[in-house]
Amino acid sequence: DIQMTQSPSTLSASVGGRVTITCRASQNVGRWLAWYQQKPGKAPNLLIQKAVDLESGVPSRFSGSGSGTEFTLTISSLQPDDSAAYYCQQYSSFSTFGQGTKVEIK
Amino acid sequence: QVQLVESGGGVVQPGTSLRLSCAASGFTFNNYGMHWVRQAPGKGLEWVAVISDNGRNENHADSVKGRFTISRDNYKNTVYLQMNSLRAEDTAVYYCVKTDCGGVDCRLLVFWGQGTLVTVSS
Repeated sequence: DIQMTQSPSTLSASVGGRVTITCRASQNVGRWLAWYQQKPGKAPNLLIQKAVDLESGVPSRFSGSGSGTEFTLTISSLQPDDSAAYYCQQYSSFSTFGQGTKVEIK
Repeated sequence: QVQLVESGGGVVQPGTSLRLSCAASGFTFNNYGMHWVRQAPGKGLEWVAVISDNGRNENHADSVKGRFTISRDNYKNTVYLQMNSLRAEDTAVYYCVKTDCGGVDCRLLVFWGQGTLVTVSS
């Protein structure tokens, strides 16, 4: 099974600040990597697929990068609405998720 | 618009069974694979099962294999999760999720229902 290691588990940043979340795969997953946002009490929402492709309607301050085993989700200018948990998912072989990153606003 | 409405959750005792349902609307149901994904209270996401668009192929996570079975009825636009021999560790919110194509290898989770809570406790 492919294991996904996400870091950090929690981060706190100011409005307007830059946020970076890292996801590492135990095996090469190519670009079969997605990012999801989950707000408290709500279902997850797909933000990015194929490591870099932003879903329609997702603000351009979100971006994804990486391939193979190392991936990054970046929020270029953090907004209050971005307070949420973020999960990576590899979908190269079956499906596994990272442990999640909780993003808080300072 | 796409809608997925889960039902069937509740509080059950260990060793018993429960069947979850997910009613789909707003898209051509028999063109898409469907998944169940669960989330234990305060924990992360765990993929549970997938079924192909025509219902002929499915996969289950090792943690539920032999106990849970995914199925679908394309006439009723509904996907099911039959859960047998339930354990305390199966306690979670169970989400029904639409993927972006028809096969069991379609694993991008493009639209999620709101979930139904299953609590396994004596």
